[in-house]
Amino acid sequence: DAKTTQPNSMESNEEEPVHLPCNHSTISGTDYIHWYRQLPSQGPEYVIHGLTSNVNNRMASLAIAEDRKSSTLILHRATLRDAAVYYCMLPSGSARQLTFGSGTQLTVLP
Amino acid sequence: DTGVSQDPRHKITKRGQNVTFRCDPISEHNRLYWYRQTLGQGPEFLTYFQNEAQLEKSRLLSDRFSAERPKGSFSTLEIQRTEQGDSAMYLCASLNRENTGELFFGEGSRLTVL
Repeated sequence: DAKTTQPNSMESNEEEPVHLPCNHSTISGTDYIHWYRQLPSQGPEYVIHGLTSNVNNRMASLAIAEDRKSSTLILHRATLRDAAVYYCMLPSGSARQLTFGSGTQLTVLP
Repeated sequence: DTGVSQDPRHKITKRGQNVTFRCDPISEHNRLYWYRQTLGQGPEFLTYFQNEAQLEKSRLLSDRFSAERPKGSFSTLEIQRTEQGDSAMYLCASLNRENTGELFFGEGSRLTVL
C-alpha cells in the first residue's frame, strides 16, 4: 500500500503563502494524489486532487513532482479560516481503501 | 440534498451495550465509506460499499463491528458489546459514480463508551 509522510505541524502568517509538503515515494503509476482538510469538530473536506500535472482550483494549487514521489499543496494567501489539519491521501490496495495519514496541523498567525 | 448526514451526532453508552449509527449519503453516490477517528489521528478506514455490496473491510475491524447498506442507499454501522477503546468519532463518506476523487464526508457520530 502507498504510504504518505507529512510534517506534524506548520505555521504561517496570515495573508502569506503556505506550502504543505507530502512524500509518497511508493506511489504507483495510476494513483491519484488527494488532499483534504479537517476543521475542528467537522468531517474532512475535499481540497484538490491530481495525477501528474499541477492542478489549480479556487481553494488551492497542487504541485506534483516530476517523479510523483512528492507533492505540495499551496495555499496562496493563508487566512485564519485555513487553520486545520491537512491530509495528503492516496488510494491503497485495490483503490477501494482511501487511507489517510496523520496529517499536518496548520496554524495561521494573525 | 444538502450532503452526507449522520445520526446520532453524539452517543454515550455503557460498556457492553450495542450501538448503531446511520449514514445517509448524497443520493446519487453509489460508493460509501466508514471511517473511525480518534483524537489527534487521521481517519482510519473501516469499510467500503459499492451500492449494496460490502467490497472492502479493514483487517482492523473486529467481529463486533458490522455494517450494512440495504438497497444501496443509507448505511448502518453497528458495534456490539462496546468497549472503552471503541470511543471515537465515526465518519461516513460518499463518492460519486464517476469517481472524480472527491469524497464527501458527514459531520460524524461521536461515541463515548463509559
